[in-house]
Amino acid sequence: KQEVTQIPAALSVPEGENLVLNCSFTDSAIYNLQWFRQDPGKGLTSLLLIQSSQREQTSGRLNASLDKSSGRSTLYIAASQPGDSATYLCAGGSQGNLIFGKGTKLSVKP
Amino acid sequence: EPEVTQTPSHQVTQMGQEVILRCVPISNHLYFYWYRQILGQKVEFLVSFYNNEISEKSEIFDDQFSVERPDGSNFTLKIRSTKLEDSAMYFCASSAQGETEAFFGQGTRLTVV
Repeated sequence: KQEVTQIPAALSVPEGENLVLNCSFTDSAIYNLQWFRQDPGKGLTSLLLIQSSQREQTSGRLNASLDKSSGRSTLYIAASQPGDSATYLCAGGSQGNLIFGKGTKLSVKP
Repeated sequence: EPEVTQTPSHQVTQMGQEVILRCVPISNHLYFYWYRQILGQKVEFLVSFYNNEISEKSEIFDDQFSVERPDGSNFTLKIRSTKLEDSAMYFCASSAQGETEAFFGQGTRLTVV
């Protein structure tokens, strides 16, 4: 059964810092890995999708990587801004649905 | 930009009552999903729907739950007899294909009292 874990659970950084969020999964037979942003009480905004045949995807200041052999994905955020403060979720696509981690709550201080 | 829309944004219901949560997926998408998130917990998969039938469902999706696509645009989740533990944020999602990017709605917060 697929399990997704995210470390750290919470992270506080000063504005402008580069940071890395980690996601690990137990079953390498995922067909994709998707990163989401969730603001308090709100829905899930898709940030990046990495197909199983890909190793990374980039969108603006965000870069996500996928290493299926080690069961890991990372989300790199460059030059963090206060507006980046949110909970970041990773989800592995497996057997027709997404298995979510519990998220990393990011706080970027001005 | 196309988006998944859900109504209502918040619903309060009494225990034992039936509720219907509504979703309008992105128009050219073929796969539809319901997920839920109990406060402070992970987002959990409930059910996926393709070609007018359920393609996958989780252990959570028991006989109290049902889904329907009554017309060409709406996708609904019905809970027949709500329990206190059904209180959660329910998210609808859609994707163009089964393994492509999933887009989520803003959610319906269901409170069972």
